[in-house]
Amino acid sequence: NAGVTQTPKFRVLKTGQSMTLLCAQDMNHEYMYWYRQDPGMGLRLIHYSVGEGTTAKGEVPDGYNVSRLKKQNFLLGLESAAPSQTSVYFCASRDSSYNEQFFGPGTRLTVL
Amino acid sequence: KQEVTQIPAALSVPEGENLVLNCSFTDSAIYNLQWFRQDPGKGLTSLLLIQSSQREQTSGRLNASLDKSSGRSTLYIAASQPGDSATYLCAVRASNYQLIWGAGTKLIIKP
Repeated sequence: NAGVTQTPKFRVLKTGQSMTLLCAQDMNHEYMYWYRQDPGMGLRLIHYSVGEGTTAKGEVPDGYNVSRLKKQNFLLGLESAAPSQTSVYFCASRDSSYNEQFFGPGTRLTVL
Repeated sequence: KQEVTQIPAALSVPEGENLVLNCSFTDSAIYNLQWFRQDPGKGLTSLLLIQSSQREQTSGRLNASLDKSSGRSTLYIAASQPGDSATYLCAVRASNYQLIWGAGTKLIIKP
């Protein structure tokens, strides 16, 4: 039981490049979330999903897209990376009947 | 709009002391409040979750309280240890889907 895993752990991009961050969970959770964490700020919700095939915008969705084709995976895409997207990205999941969120180890992304 | 504040941003205390971390929120209409721990370069670990109908939760040396009417929660750590050094974050559930986060308190326990 690995919990929530994220791939990759680190990445450096140049402005305008694209990439996809992968989140996988093996707990059969319905809800999945993508957050970003910036210095001195709380986590901010980018997008979330309440089940396979569904996605919704969070607090800071601009510049990101997501997909939930399989229940266990939640992908976060950056189509044209910008320096403002330099951040640490966390994925989380939770069961629909329980409130606790379980987090992945994070992806540190730098956009030059 | 719900806002969550944690003060102080950083705290350093000698080993063995009891300490309190604070979390305040602006809207008392919450589902629950969670306290998390974050170690450098790692993800977040849930410590305690308090439902809106509860006043406190305890786990080992940790005790979290919730006062919705005043918009405050505290995390009490008893007999602090160097291993408690981490950043502690609180988050309130403002809807069925979204957590609103504080910026965290960085705690350093000096041996």
